[in-house]
Amino acid sequence: AQRVTQPEKLLSVFKGAPVELKCNYSYSGSPELFWYVQYSRQRLQLLLRHISRESIKGFTADLNKGETSFHLKKPFAQEEDSAMYYCALSGVDSSYKLIFGSGTRLLVRP
Amino acid sequence: DAEITQSPRHKITETGRQVTLACHQTWNHNNMFWYRQDLGHGLRLIHYSYGVHDTNKGEVSDGYSVSRSNTEDLPLTLESAASSQTSVYFCASSGGLAVEQYFGPGTRLTVT
Repeated sequence: AQRVTQPEKLLSVFKGAPVELKCNYSYSGSPELFWYVQYSRQRLQLLLRHISRESIKGFTADLNKGETSFHLKKPFAQEEDSAMYYCALSGVDSSYKLIFGSGTRLLVRP
Repeated sequence: DAEITQSPRHKITETGRQVTLACHQTWNHNNMFWYRQDLGHGLRLIHYSYGVHDTNKGEVSDGYSVSRSNTEDLPLTLESAASSQTSVYFCASSGGLAVEQYFGPGTRLTVT
């Protein structure tokens, strides 16, 4: 079955430290992968998608089909990066549905 | 500006009551989705719709229903609210061939 795994429920780092939020997926087809972010008391918003290969707010993510991973990285964390991050998979069965991971809460300490 | 809204933002209800959560989008998107967000589970799909009069069950559809009578609205109904349905509910939409979804602000539902 298609699945998205985010192994860390909480990731705590100090300001200025590098950040890597892990995401692994299981899907035999051609996936589309996304990272969504939810700041405190706000709605989910798209952070980035793998096909655009862009950097948003200093975050990047590379799709590794061999390792079935889509880890989110940032070289220097900022306090305003503290939020809940969700990895999501689409393209399953040619549908428009998203399959979400359980999320990782990033806490950036001053 | 086009947007997606949900109402109410907070709701407290009693076990056994019927509850309807509203979702309204002004993007003219064909695709609309309802999720529930629970700690440790992330977002789980309840129901979704790809157009007027189309509805489909998601991963956790038991106890919920939706209807799509127009493009803009996809109300979610809890037929007989249970304490296990205490959660935060998010509506989302997407349009055309895009899979990127736009989310509403959420409704926090407490069933006592």
